[in-house]
Amino acid sequence: TQLLEQSPQFLSIQEGENLTVYCNSSSVFSSLQWYRQEPGEGPVLLVTVVTGGEVKKLKRLTFQFGDARKDSSLHITAAQPGDTGLYLCAGGGTGNQFYFGTGTSLTVIP
Amino acid sequence: GAVVSQHPSRVICKSGTSVKIECRSLDFQATTMFWYRQFPKQSLMLMATSNEGSKATYEQGVEKDKFLINHASLTLSTLTVTSAHPEDSSFYICSARGWGHSLEKLFFGSGTQLSVL
Repeated sequence: TQLLEQSPQFLSIQEGENLTVYCNSSSVFSSLQWYRQEPGEGPVLLVTVVTGGEVKKLKRLTFQFGDARKDSSLHITAAQPGDTGLYLCAGGGTGNQFYFGTGTSLTVIP
Repeated sequence: GAVVSQHPSRVICKSGTSVKIECRSLDFQATTMFWYRQFPKQSLMLMATSNEGSKATYEQGVEKDKFLINHASLTLSTLTVTSAHPEDSSFYICSARGWGHSLEKLFFGSGTQLSVL
């Protein structure tokens, strides 16, 4: 069961372009995390957003948590080839579970 | 920082054999461990949630007799793929939620690539 839907699923852009990845759910989350994963490795935590409406910046990455805490977005400015990877949002389930979004595979072409 | 060690990183086995994957928390006590399965360029699918000393909670559609999970101590959880078949080939990742750490943070193993011939 995946409670978090991400869009787009695949994204291929030129170096220097901007992009936004969306993470949506019908459920309310106390917090959401964003991860980036390289092939053959575990996910690496980028950020945790906790407060509805919160905006966090990490260099060229901007993360926003929706006011209702049901959705989040990741915006990358001036994408670089090093940004290539699988981006995943994640949050806790109603029990003790921890679910990942459906994922967005980003390719930045030099 | 907290480290989760997962072994083996890669395993190739014959169809019908069983494979055990270990996940250890090296510097903290993991009260909860999660096991995920991942296909190429797809997301991590939660297979089961494992609490120390109790039976694992499996997600819908995951065969508990096929994927045996043991979480006998606060630092070790194992996933055994029994009678593996080619369709079980996948990337398996564990993660651990630690006692005393933020409840919203997880520490991940480096994954195990299973190939069943």
